[in-house]
Amino acid sequence: SAVISQKPSRDICQRGTSLTIQCQVDSQVTMMFWYRQQPGQSLTLIATANQGSEATYESGFVIDKFPISRPNLTFSTLTVSNMSPEDSSIYLCSVVVSSEETQYFGPGTRLLVL
Amino acid sequence: AQKITQTQPGMFVQEKEAVTLDCTYDTSDQSYGLFWYKQPSSGEMIFLIYQGSYDEQNATEGRYSLNFQKARKSANLVISASQLGDSAMYFCAMRDMNTGFQKLVFGTGTRLLVSP
Repeated sequence: SAVISQKPSRDICQRGTSLTIQCQVDSQVTMMFWYRQQPGQSLTLIATANQGSEATYESGFVIDKFPISRPNLTFSTLTVSNMSPEDSSIYLCSVVVSSEETQYFGPGTRLLVL
Repeated sequence: AQKITQTQPGMFVQEKEAVTLDCTYDTSDQSYGLFWYKQPSSGEMIFLIYQGSYDEQNATEGRYSLNFQKARKSANLVISASQLGDSAMYFCAMRDMNTGFQKLVFGTGTRLLVSP
């Protein structure tokens, strides 16, 4: 299994500002992902965080709005840029451990944009 | 394209009884994985159980079992002996095992309420 931590756990931000969310895993993982869960909705994949290269974004998500870094196999950041109230969501980091088929999730970051 | 359908927005069960949460899926892939996650009000996604498309036996993890019927493309979660702490949202998800991206596609979820 993998133990995943996210910082911050929650935040309240003003519109127009940016927030960077950190994801730290206790072991090296092959794949890291960022998901968004809007209020009352299911999870939607934002992007796959690739180590040492640009992230792979899903349709509807762009790098300018959600820049992602992954400098090594255990750490990634997601920035939510120029925030609006529509960005209020839970943002979850997720990993796949190389030796397993299971996909694990971090505790999530609850973001409220006023 | 892959699709997960959870037709039960909400389910009620009494403590100590068993409950089945429905999940059907649609895919043209031969190799895929099916997952169930629990999301309490805290927001974290807790992995419960996994079933591979080539697994012949239904997966079990403690009080959780997955009723996998491949021909019907269903992967229902059975929770035995429900506990108050089981009250949460439950999501079914699937992943194409052939691609390198391991992307999970989620259903809309079922909210389970366990009453004393």
